[in-house]
Amino acid sequence: GEDVEQSLFLSVREGDSSVINCTYTDSSSTYLYWYKQEPGAGLQLLTYIFSNMDMKQDQRLTVLLNKKDKHLSLRIADTQTGDSAIYFCAETSRGSQGNLIFGKGTKLSVKP
Amino acid sequence: DADVTQTPRNRITKTGKRIMLECSQTKGHDRMYWYRQDPGLGLRLIYYSFDVKDINKGEISDGYSVSRQAQAKFSLSLESAIPNQTALYFCATSDTPGTGSVREQFFGPGTRLTVL
Repeated sequence: GEDVEQSLFLSVREGDSSVINCTYTDSSSTYLYWYKQEPGAGLQLLTYIFSNMDMKQDQRLTVLLNKKDKHLSLRIADTQTGDSAIYFCAETSRGSQGNLIFGKGTKLSVKP
Repeated sequence: DADVTQTPRNRITKTGKRIMLECSQTKGHDRMYWYRQDPGLGLRLIYYSFDVKDINKGEISDGYSVSRQAQAKFSLSLESAIPNQTALYFCATSDTPGTGSVREQFFGPGTRLTVL
């Protein structure tokens, strides 16, 4: 069945780069997504990448997509304490009329 | 004002009690969703509704029911709460996507439910 896998925790020092990885199963997803959940809040769409692209850059964020390996990554440059959050990878479900399938979320902790 | 609101924000209840969580949205979206979040398990879909007359079970609907009272309102009920329903519950909304369009969901702030 459809599944999205990501590691649960990542700890980095302020100023370093963070790389959050994700693998997914449904190669038919038109887009792949990264959502961010700040403490005490709901999820918000952070960025997304069209499946025909292999890279998308948006300020400090870089998304890399390897369709052959079904691997998605999110790189945050110059990580700040305000980047501490849970980051969810998501793909579009082939069934369920295209609902999103979320990974379990990676909790990013940024140490000063 | 927030686009997606949830009430209550926190609730403590006892096993066997009936609980209703409410969600309202001002975004004018047709689609609404209920998720629960548990540590280490991520977000799991309970129910979703594509319009007032279209309600569908998600991954973990057992023990839950929903009501779509209007386009803007979608409530989740626990008929007889049990301790393993202790979790953070999120409501979300989305527009009806066109073919090949981005699927953005907008989340409420969550309801923390504790069942003793």
